[in-house]
Amino acid sequence: KQEVTQIPAALSVPEGENLVLNCSFTDSAIYNLQWFRQDPGKGLTSLLLIQSSQREQTSGRLNASLDKSSGRSTLYIAASQPGDSATYLCAVKVSNQGGKLIFGQGTELSVKP
Amino acid sequence: DTEVTQTPKHLVMGMTNKKSLKCEQHMGHRAMYWYKQKAKKPPELMFVYSYEKLSINESVPSRFSPECPNSSLLNLHLHALQPEDSALYLCASSNTVSGESYNEQFFGPGTRLTVL
Repeated sequence: KQEVTQIPAALSVPEGENLVLNCSFTDSAIYNLQWFRQDPGKGLTSLLLIQSSQREQTSGRLNASLDKSSGRSTLYIAASQPGDSATYLCAVKVSNQGGKLIFGQGTELSVKP
Repeated sequence: DTEVTQTPKHLVMGMTNKKSLKCEQHMGHRAMYWYKQKAKKPPELMFVYSYEKLSINESVPSRFSPECPNSSLLNLHLHALQPEDSALYLCASSNTVSGESYNEQFFGPGTRLTVL
């Protein structure tokens, strides 16, 4: 059974720091991995999607990497800003389960001015 | 346009009421999803529709009844809910459910449901 873990559960950093959020999964048979951002009480915003054949994806200050063999993904945020404060969720799309995403518990990020 | 819309934003209902949640997308996606999210928890999948047919039901109680009238619309009919059903209900869509195709899931803003 696929399990997704995110460490740390919460993170507080001063503005301007570069930071890394971690996501690990137990079964390497995934089709893709997606990183989301969620503001309190709001829906999920898709940040990056990495296909299983890819190693990384970049969008602006965000860079996500994927190492299927070790069951790990990282989300790198450069030059963090207070507006980056949110909960970050990673989710894997498991093979042969009809589109189902398995989510991690999320990392709650606070960027202090 | 990568928008998924959901109505209403908030809903308060009694345990004997019947209500419906609505979700709409105009991205031409053929897969649509309902998720339930409790506070401080990740979303949990409830239902998946693929080409307007129900493809996954994650053992959801029958008091939740999904409906996909056409490829752009997804409804969730609610009847005789319990207070523990109070949560944020999220709709999502993707190109398809096929694992081998590029199918990023896009989420709506959610409906905050409170059952009294």
